[in-house]
Formats: sequence, structure tokens, C-alpha cells
Amino acid sequence: KNQVEQSPQSLIILEGKNCTLQCNYTVSPFSNLRWYKQDTGRGPVSLTIMTFSENTKSNGRYTATLDADTKQSSLHITASQLSDSASYICVVSGDDYKLSFGAGTTVTVRA
Amino acid sequence: KAGVTQTPRYLIKTRGQQVTLSCSPISGHRSVSWYQQTPGQGLQFLFEYFSETQRNKGNFPGRFSGRQFSNSRSEMNVSTLELGDSALYLCASNLAPGLAVGGRGQETQYFGPGTRLLVL
Repeated sequence: KNQVEQSPQSLIILEGKNCTLQCNYTVSPFSNLRWYKQDTGRGPVSLTIMTFSENTKSNGRYTATLDADTKQSSLHITASQLSDSASYICVVSGDDYKLSFGAGTTVTVRA
Repeated sequence: KAGVTQTPRYLIKTRGQQVTLSCSPISGHRSVSWYQQTPGQGLQFLFEYFSETQRNKGNFPGRFSGRQFSNSRSEMNVSTLELGDSALYLCASNLAPGLAVGGRGQETQYFGPGTRLLVL
């Protein structure tokens, strides 16, 4: 069973609107959680990295939150742009130096 | 500074053949890791190299192998190709080893554009 579950699998939003992506994990003990953005045909690009003690981290219009107690993270996209259309991948590192990948959420922003 | 480069970008092979993919990390980065990405399985870790030594390995059969050269460039080889090997193969570089299998800090991992392999 995958230790990182992302939801929704895909979503469509109108340009200018906000959206929130979810990442639930069971990896334990936990080291850090990363969100990546992957454009079609390209490699993933790191958006945020959060360790156990961090609750929120922003990168421009992207804001990630982390609740290590409930093992949940979210990625909020504010005022979406067409260039935000991509797959967003949640990656969790355990203390055993193993990486667990989510299947990703595909975001489509429409004008 | 140039990013991670991978060659070739696209490749078509037939079952039973073997293939070699190349990755050049960011200048100064000595750690290179490889991933396989498929629609069904998502991203999966293949292996990581640092200073010409394989540091970690994922759960892939022995048909998947790799190596790293003294200039940190890396190659991965897949022998006896199967249809299920069709995927996007991504290479990532970082300064220090261990990130591919869970760095404790906040090191950023830089991915290349990938090589899309189609096995017919």
C-alpha cells in the first residue's frame, strides 16, 4: 500500500481562482515533506521542503502546510495562472532515508 | 549554471534489446540519482550514485544497472527490455548524497527533463 496518498487525482479550475491539493501520509518516523511541480514533458521542480517543525512554507503563490500530528499536508495555489497547469507531486522522507512518492494531482487551469 | 541534462530525450526500442541513458549533473554536484516514472506507478527510485559508487538502490530487477564516472556524469543501462519498461526515466542531481533516499535537511534536488523510452 502506498504510504503517500494524494487527492484529488485531478482537478480543473478557472484562471484566477484558488485551489488546494491534499497529501496524506503514513510514513513514520517522518523526516521531511516536499512538494514538486512537474510540467508535461519536463522533470519535477521543487516547490517547498518542510521538516517536522515547520507548519507552513510559501513559494510565491504556492503555500504548503504541514500537520505532522495528523500526517497531512496541503498545497494551496492562489490566484491560479495558466502556467500552473501541471502535475503536483508530494514526496515524504522517512527517518530511514527512504523516499515515498505520491501519485500526483493533475491541475488544469482554464481561461 | 547549466541544469541537469539527459540524453537522448526520446528513444524507441524493441523487446529484448538493451538501452543506455546518460545524465550530466549540475556542475559541482557529485550525487546523481535515477527514477522511473510511469502513469500507473508514479515516480519510483532506481538508484543513487556518489563519487562513482552506488550508494542506494531501489526495488528493481538486476536488468537495471548504472554507473558514474569521475566527472560525475552517470549512465543507466536496461538490458533485455520488456514492454513494461516503457517510461520516463528521470535523473536528478544534488550536492551531497543521501537526498534520493531521504535527506534530513532542506537540500533541493534538481531534476533533468527525462528520457522517454518506448518499448515495442
